[in-house]
Amino acid sequence: DGGITQSPKYLFRKEGQNVTLSCEQNLNHDAMYWYRQDPGQGLRLIYYSQIVNDFQKGDIAEGYSVSREKKESFPLTVTSAQKNPTAFYLCASSAASGGYTFGSGTRLTVV
Amino acid sequence: GENVEQHPSTLSVQEGDSAVIKCTYSDSASNYFPWYKQELGKGPQLIIDIRSNVGEKKDQRIAVTLNKTAKHFSLHITETQPEDSAVYFCAARAFGNEKLTFGTGTRLTIIP
Repeated sequence: DGGITQSPKYLFRKEGQNVTLSCEQNLNHDAMYWYRQDPGQGLRLIYYSQIVNDFQKGDIAEGYSVSREKKESFPLTVTSAQKNPTAFYLCASSAASGGYTFGSGTRLTVV
Repeated sequence: GENVEQHPSTLSVQEGDSAVIKCTYSDSASNYFPWYKQELGKGPQLIIDIRSNVGEKKDQRIAVTLNKTAKHFSLHITETQPEDSAVYFCAARAFGNEKLTFGTGTRLTIIP
């Protein structure tokens, strides 16, 4: 079955550490996105990529980095510069003019 | 850029009654309007969408209406059931733009 997979489901980060969240899709979608969701809040765009080897900052890119070396993969790194990284992270992908397909999310907690 | 406002932020409905969630958008070039349902601890799932050449679309108990003149669209859920309890997000996208702009979400609670 086609879909989008995020891993891990839960992730714990120590202060000062970088961590990488995985997002893989087999839907053959060109565009991929990362969103952050805080408790009881909406979706805030971190980064997006419309094509391999190209990506753009969203509304809250500071403290995050991404890469898009393959069409299927769009990993997100939460760097030590992100001072409040505890949140639920959602990855999504889309085909041209279509809706988004979301992954099941990664819950990141700073310990 | 596009701005999408969603109301209400919370909604409680007796089981079996109808629920309506409303969104307004700012960019008259927007032509695609999806609705997503997010259950606790999960990613949002597309439940219905509508394009600007259509005024209404139905899928069983769910319907979406679009008023292009007023720039607003609404989600209607009839005969609500406990499993309809979730957070619902509306979104809009302009022609030629890949990104969706999301509303702030509505927490719908169905009271048994």
